[in-house]
Amino acid sequence: QSALTQPRSVSGSPGQSVTISCTGTSADVGGYNYVSWYQHHPGKAPKLMIFDVTKRPSGVPDRFSGSKSGNTASLTISGLQAEDEADYHCCSYAGSHTLLFGGGTKLTVL
Amino acid sequence: QLQLQESGPGLVKPSETLSLTCIVSGGSISSSSYYWGWIRQPPGKGLEWIGSIYYSGSSHYNPSLKSRVTISVDTSKNQFSLNLSSVTAADTAVYYCARLLRGIAARPNWFDPWGQGTLVTVSS
Repeated sequence: QSALTQPRSVSGSPGQSVTISCTGTSADVGGYNYVSWYQHHPGKAPKLMIFDVTKRPSGVPDRFSGSKSGNTASLTISGLQAEDEADYHCCSYAGSHTLLFGGGTKLTVL
Repeated sequence: QLQLQESGPGLVKPSETLSLTCIVSGGSISSSSYYWGWIRQPPGKGLEWIGSIYYSGSSHYNPSLKSRVTISVDTSKNQFSLNLSSVTAADTAVYYCARLLRGIAARPNWFDPWGQGTLVTVSS
């Protein structure tokens, strides 16, 4: 099992949209609709932002959305705000009761 | 509101065993809907799933760590624990515990909530 592939960093200006990709294989991202995304501010607990590829937990702004095409899942943040600056991690079910994370993406709000 | 808190030594010597406990409050660890998991983040790197356990004691581990990891559960104390043996500097990381949804066909799904994490340094 290799980690899912995420860009190391992305950036955008307030009000803009950014998309973070998460690429795996047919054995993980492509094979199941069990992709989740986590926002992680340094020194704090990671926070669930998206589950089951597209679903948002209660309390997560609808500026955050998820999608998947083939072996690549994506997190899109629209209407960027300063507080969105954080690390974002994707996670996928990978079969046999195992889970796989991506390498994480640092989002900078310019 | 469910809360998780990691506890354990912040410094472990090389070749020894890293031991951490996660205390669950505000809810029962014996829920049939959830697993309980350990995740770590080495400095400057991404998150890594270590393993998960069900209240019955059934556990699953990351294949890359399986030979060194044991996760156990104590339902009477509402807590679960991680043991990682033969540690090296590569095991230096922030270790998190989290609740993990047990989905369809008992597949693990998403983590929520997470503990604050605890830094464990492996050094002599």
